[in-house]
Amino acid sequence: DVVMTQSPLSLPVTLGQPASISCRSSQSLVHSDGNTYLSWFQQRPGQSPRRLIYKVSNWDSGVPDRFSGSGSGTDFTLKISRVEAEDVGVYYCMQATHWPWTFGQGTRVEI
Amino acid sequence: DVELVESGGGLVQPGGSLRLSCVVSGFTFSSYWMSWVRQAPGKGLEYVATIKVDGSEKYYVDSVKGRFTISRDNAKNSLYLQLNSLRVEDTALYYCATAVRGSRFDYWGQGALVTVSS
Repeated sequence: DVVMTQSPLSLPVTLGQPASISCRSSQSLVHSDGNTYLSWFQQRPGQSPRRLIYKVSNWDSGVPDRFSGSGSGTDFTLKISRVEAEDVGVYYCMQATHWPWTFGQGTRVEI
Repeated sequence: DVELVESGGGLVQPGGSLRLSCVVSGFTFSSYWMSWVRQAPGKGLEYVATIKVDGSEKYYVDSVKGRFTISRDNAKNSLYLQLNSLRVEDTALYYCATAVRGSRFDYWGQGALVTVSS
């Protein structure tokens, strides 16, 4: 199975400041169809997960543009340009290129 | 509005069985791949099983192969997960979710809690 490794696992942030989470996969996430199926999910306390980004850098509906995704191959990054209070929670990267789909361990973002 | 509602969770003894259901509304269920994702208490997320639109392809995480079965009934807008030979380590909140990896479409239910304990 593809192992997804996130860092850091805990990220203290300051409101209004930028934040960044790294995700590395154990093998390339480039699919034979040419797409890279790397997503980012947010899980706020007590809530179901919500996808923020799909295919590395594409926003899901309703996602604020302060979130951005980048990367290629095996190295990916989620950036928050200016952290807001509602961004507190756990963030997961996920690969859907290889079966079974797998998540990273999660990064806890706290103010 | 889109809604995914899971049911069927509960307390079961090791070796027992449960069947989870997820009823979907607000979108054309038969057009989308679907998944079950679980989260053990205080832990991260794990894809358990995924099924193609017509049920012709199914994928499972190794730890549940041979024990869990994903299925769907497009006429009833429903997704199912049959859990057999349950183990303590299967204790988790089981989410029903859409499985669309390449476009803007992602919805999750609130989860059904499965507790395996003697």
